[in-house]
Amino acid sequence: DIQMTQSPSSVSAFVGDRVTITCRASQGIRSWLAWYQQKPGKAPKLLIYTASSLQSGVPSRFSGSGSGTDFTLTISSLQPEDSATYYCQQANSFPLTFGGGTKVEIK
Amino acid sequence: QVQLVESGGSVVQPGRSLRLSCAASKFAFSTYGIHWVRQTPGKGLEWVAVMWSDESSKYYTDSVKGRFTISRDNSKNTLYLQMNSLRAEDTAVYYCAREVGEASCYGMDVWGQGTTVTVSS
Repeated sequence: DIQMTQSPSSVSAFVGDRVTITCRASQGIRSWLAWYQQKPGKAPKLLIYTASSLQSGVPSRFSGSGSGTDFTLTISSLQPEDSATYYCQQANSFPLTFGGGTKVEIK
Repeated sequence: QVQLVESGGSVVQPGRSLRLSCAASKFAFSTYGIHWVRQTPGKGLEWVAVMWSDESSKYYTDSVKGRFTISRDNSKNTLYLQMNSLRAEDTAVYYCAREVGEASCYGMDVWGQGTTVTVSS
């Protein structure tokens, strides 16, 4: 199985800050990576697919990059509503696997 | 609006069975692959299974192979997860989620609200 490792596990930043979350795959997954946002008590929400494609309706302050084993989710200007946990997920092969999550908090 | 609604979660004893349902509305259900994903506080998000629109194509995570069966009834716009020989480690919130890609995985763009399965004696 492909293991997905996210870092950091949590981050605290001010409104307007740039926030970067990293996801590393245990083997190459080309660009088959998705990013999700999850708020407490809610289902995950798709933000990015195929590493850098922005899902319809997602604000443009969210962006994704990377290929192979190393990927990044960037929030260019953190907003209060971005407080959530973010997960990466590889879509390269079964079983699909998720990262452990990164909790983003507002200072 | 486009929606998935899960049902069937319950408290069940180890070794017993349970069937979850996922009802779809406002989209062409028969043309989409649908996943089951579960979430526990300790293990985070775990993909469980997927069934493509081609009903012969289905995949499972190893820990549920031989115990869980994914199926769908396109006439009822409903996906199912038959869970047999349940174990304590199957305790989780179970979500169904729609696959973006037509024949391969891209991501899951529509999720249900989740249904809770608790396996306990």
